[in-house]
Amino acid sequence: AQTVTQSQPEMSVQEAETVTLSCTYDTSESDYYLFWYKQPPSRQMILVIRQEAYKQQNATENRFSVNFQKAAKSFSLKISDSQLGDAAMYFCAYRGHNNDMRFGAGTRLTVKP
Amino acid sequence: DVKVTQSSRYLVKRTGEKVFLECVQDMDHENMFWYRQDPGLGLRLIYFSYDVKMKEKGDIPEGYSVSREKKERFSLILESASTNQTSMYLCASNSGRASGELFFGEGSRLTVL
Repeated sequence: AQTVTQSQPEMSVQEAETVTLSCTYDTSESDYYLFWYKQPPSRQMILVIRQEAYKQQNATENRFSVNFQKAAKSFSLKISDSQLGDAAMYFCAYRGHNNDMRFGAGTRLTVKP
Repeated sequence: DVKVTQSSRYLVKRTGEKVFLECVQDMDHENMFWYRQDPGLGLRLIYFSYDVKMKEKGDIPEGYSVSREKKERFSLILESASTNQTSMYLCASNSGRASGELFFGEGSRLTVL
């Protein structure tokens, strides 16, 4: 089975600054999707951004962007102009050809005012 | 608005009891998933289903079974609950498209005494 690794259990950032969360994955597939999900405290998990492996261009959603390095199997999330509402657990996820979704252990992001 | 509803937010059960966790989605999604979420371990896939009466084992199926008699409903069953099954259980669904994001329920926090 594919594995997803998030090596940063916790990160903190000053409000208005930029932070990057790391994710690596292991797969033998060539076509797949990668996702970042956000889980605010006591709230539901929601999608932040997704990336299709066959697209070379990095995905961007407003203040959120990814750095996708397919050869290195790396998929980091950059949050620009961090806001207090960005504080949450962030999970990196992989979806391959058999449709099941695998998640990393998560990174807890704290935003300091 | 899309909705995944888990029947119980909090449950307390005793060792050896049979436990049912129910999940209903209103988006006509083909795929449904059960994960357990533990600190430091992220989300681990227990079972998923890609069609009515179909199921596939995830990474940690031992001690669990599932049922999908109708497309909108996916149940997780603990035949004989044990203390190491104390956890947060998350249900999710998505369409059959590979790019389809997961939609999550609010979670069911199970405590087994």
